[in-house]
Amino acid sequence: ETGVTQTPRHLVMGMTNKKSLKCEQHLGHNAMYWYKQSAKKPLELMFVYNFKEQTENNSVPSRFSPECPNSSHLFLHLHTLQPEDSALYLCASSQEEGSGNTIYFGEGSWLTVV
Amino acid sequence: AQSVTQLDSQVPVFEEAPVELRCNYSSSVSVYLFWYVQYPNQGLQLLLKYLSGSTLVKGINGFEAEFNKSQTSFHLRKPSVHISDTAEYFCAVSAVYTGGFKTIFGAGTRLFVKA
Repeated sequence: ETGVTQTPRHLVMGMTNKKSLKCEQHLGHNAMYWYKQSAKKPLELMFVYNFKEQTENNSVPSRFSPECPNSSHLFLHLHTLQPEDSALYLCASSQEEGSGNTIYFGEGSWLTVV
Repeated sequence: AQSVTQLDSQVPVFEEAPVELRCNYSSSVSVYLFWYVQYPNQGLQLLLKYLSGSTLVKGINGFEAEFNKSQTSFHLRKPSVHISDTAEYFCAVSAVYTGGFKTIFGAGTRLFVKA
């Protein structure tokens, strides 16, 4: 148990569906992250929220939409995805962004787009 | 652009043998260095980190890493591996980039321990 909980753990969705991934951290952290992990590719940082403000958007397609309603919760809204978006989506948190802070990861949400 | 290079994508090793996983980074400023481990079907978890002080850092599960500033390296070592060490290992660097501190991850090294 890392203190970062992701739901659902597995999601299968069609290309026309709308779904959301949810992340909750119980560590009192101020920064939250979404990463994409695909087979044979480096970990890709998608979005960062620091003190509820989005500080990073790594040229992510608009079919991915993050939401951070408070410092404990982070969502990733998904719509009209493509098969190449199938991957493991990891949520993470840290005390603040960067510096020497350890990043704590959830177990991930496996997404399959059909 | 800053980068983290993990020189080996896969490292097969026999049980009880020593192992070294290599990591080099590009940066001309002060950095913080991390190794994370990802076991199958799990997220990443911290193995060890270097912030300052002694260049030899000890982590969990018998791993250690040495920060070498002149060679911009942070190689991970274990003198005797177990089957349970089979996992993917990620090196990460946190440093000041344009806009503030950022953490960049390497591509990962898959350690496969054979009986």
